Amino acid sequence: GAVVSQHPSRVICKSGTSVKIECRSLDFQATTMFWYRQFPKQSLMLMATSNEGSKATYEQGVEKDKFLINHASLTLSTLTVTSAHPEDSSFYICSAVWASGIVNEQFFGPGTRLTVL
Amino acid sequence: GQSLEQPSEVTAVEGAIVQINCTYQTSGFYGLSWYQQHDGGAPTFLSYNALDGLEETGRFSSFLSRSDSYGYLLLQELQMKDSASYFCAVRPGGYNKLIFGAGTRLAVHP
Repeated sequence: GAVVSQHPSRVICKSGTSVKIECRSLDFQATTMFWYRQFPKQSLMLMATSNEGSKATYEQGVEKDKFLINHASLTLSTLTVTSAHPEDSSFYICSAVWASGIVNEQFFGPGTRLTVL
Repeated sequence: GQSLEQPSEVTAVEGAIVQINCTYQTSGFYGLSWYQQHDGGAPTFLSYNALDGLEETGRFSSFLSRSDSYGYLLLQELQMKDSASYFCAVRPGGYNKLIFGAGTRLAVHP
């Protein structure tokens, strides 16, 4: 149980376009999901907390208008990178909290590798 | 501010025991977690300590000392498949948000 999927796994886009990444909890409901980005051989940097039915909470330094988050249901959160630029190229990972599981155990999706040309 | 420190790299041989330390300075503390991540993969949960002491889960154990703001992950009977990055993460508040350390790359050799 507690499986999280992400789609797409890889995406290549042109500079200036927008890219949507989906994060789904497949066998549990998640009122809270998190979005991270990770550069090669570096740590996971929390971008924002996605709350079902309400606005996302962004970490300091993360542009809300550039990284749009929508948590429309208890099993789906989306991250849209708007007007993407090469510096947005990174590994984006989502996680979901299973309310019935171990406190503080986040289940991570497999990640989406974004390359902006 | 929030900071977590852990060694950047550790090397060991198969069958050995390795300890990965983590010290933290955070505005709040509700618990320390450990995650494993293989190259190109997703982080997977290993353990969580909210109280002082040792938690054992098979070959992996995790320890916490809240008074020292310190914890460690102990990996026993190392196997080649244990080669990965290991992250400590602090839950700074009464919610599920995590702050991750920079990660320790463990290389296990024959």
